[in-house]
Amino acid sequence: QVQLVQSGVEVKKPGASVKVSCKASGYTFTTYGISWVRQAPGQGLEWMGWISADTGNTYYAQIVQGRVTVTTDTSTSTAYMELTSLTSDDTAVYYCARDQRYSTNWLDHWGQGTLVTVSS
Amino acid sequence: DIQMTQSPSSLSASVGDRVTITCRASQSISTFLNWYQQKPGKAPNLLIYAASSLQTGVPSRFSGRGSGTDFTLTISSLQPEDFATYYCHQTYSTRTFGQGTKVEI
Repeated sequence: QVQLVQSGVEVKKPGASVKVSCKASGYTFTTYGISWVRQAPGQGLEWMGWISADTGNTYYAQIVQGRVTVTTDTSTSTAYMELTSLTSDDTAVYYCARDQRYSTNWLDHWGQGTLVTVSS
Repeated sequence: DIQMTQSPSSLSASVGDRVTITCRASQSISTFLNWYQQKPGKAPNLLIYAASSLQTGVPSRFSGRGSGTDFTLTISSLQPEDFATYYCHQTYSTRTFGQGTKVEI
């Protein structure tokens, strides 16, 4: 069955960077994409970015563009999301989700989420 | 960015009720609209994609309709496991979610 398993809880200081991993299994990694979505405490969902695991093409939300980088390692079927220059506003649960191969569309399988806390 | 406005923000309903949630886009998005269900402490779960297509494994009491700017998610007969928060999600341009609709007992 399709599974996305994310890395564990992170606690970072303001100004630092965080890198979250998302290991996929149960499907051919390069025939899909991966999107990243975050959810601040008690808030709604915010789409951050997408990568095609086939082509490596990326597409980012303007709100985090310039601070976020999404990559994949096809040899290990793992996607990564790195966010730099962290502030307290970046405190959230970060989810990876399986997306479409050539464009971000619907998200049909999700990781369990990774809590990132930014605090001095 | 395209703004997605859901209504209501929350609703109270009983088991067996028919429930309809509305999502309105600030401009036309054709049928590039998906619906997700999220329970507390859990990741979202895809219910409907491309406005009206039922995701595999999702009960048939869930249905989606609409195109352009106005969309609905309907639960034909609310079950105990359906009490959750529902989000719409547009993928016509820079992807955005609605603010969510909490369905409570």
